[in-house]
Amino acid sequence: GIQVEQSPPDLILQEGANSTLRCNFSDSVNNLQWFHQNPWGQLINLFYIPSGTKQNGRLSATTVATERYSLLYISSSQTTDSGVYFCAVDGNTGNQFYFGTGTSLTVIP
Amino acid sequence: KAGVTQTPRYLIKTRGQQVTLSCSPISGHRSVSWYQQTPGQGLQFLFEYFSETQRNKGNFPGRFSGRQFSNSRSEMNVSTLELGDSALYLCATKPVANTGELFFGEGSRLTVL
Repeated sequence: GIQVEQSPPDLILQEGANSTLRCNFSDSVNNLQWFHQNPWGQLINLFYIPSGTKQNGRLSATTVATERYSLLYISSSQTTDSGVYFCAVDGNTGNQFYFGTGTSLTVIP
Repeated sequence: KAGVTQTPRYLIKTRGQQVTLSCSPISGHRSVSWYQQTPGQGLQFLFEYFSETQRNKGNFPGRFSGRQFSNSRSEMNVSTLELGDSALYLCATKPVANTGELFFGEGSRLTVL
């Protein structure tokens, strides 16, 4: 299967700080998504971004498919941004997603 | 538009019992997949269904099974429960088979005693 590595594994930020989360993957992919897992366990969609750059408010993401990585940028972080961020990719079959181990973000006031 | 609905949300079983979890997809979504999340193994793919056919299966024992109905709702079953089956089981759906954005339900948290 496709190997997905996320870094850093843990991140502690002061409220208002910016951060960059990275996702590296081992093979070409059809799709890539970023999720935020809330305290109750649900995976909330952040970006569907197989390539290119997208922005949504304070969050933006960039995927460079040819170099097999994606970045998630969080600007002006808030305490509500705390949680685990996952990157997931699917291979050429398009019916199985591989997840990274996540980045656990803690934003302190 | 309603999201992905999973039931039950929480359940406790004892070793040796069996459990059935249900997933109702977003209206119009025909692909349903299941994932297991544990602290040790992370998020792992269980299986994926499209048009009532299992198209892919992850590396899990035969005690884990599933099915999809004609209305795209899906169920997964785990028989002869083991302590290690304690996990958050997440259902995800998307409109078509081979591409598209995946949407997750809130999960079913299973505890095996």
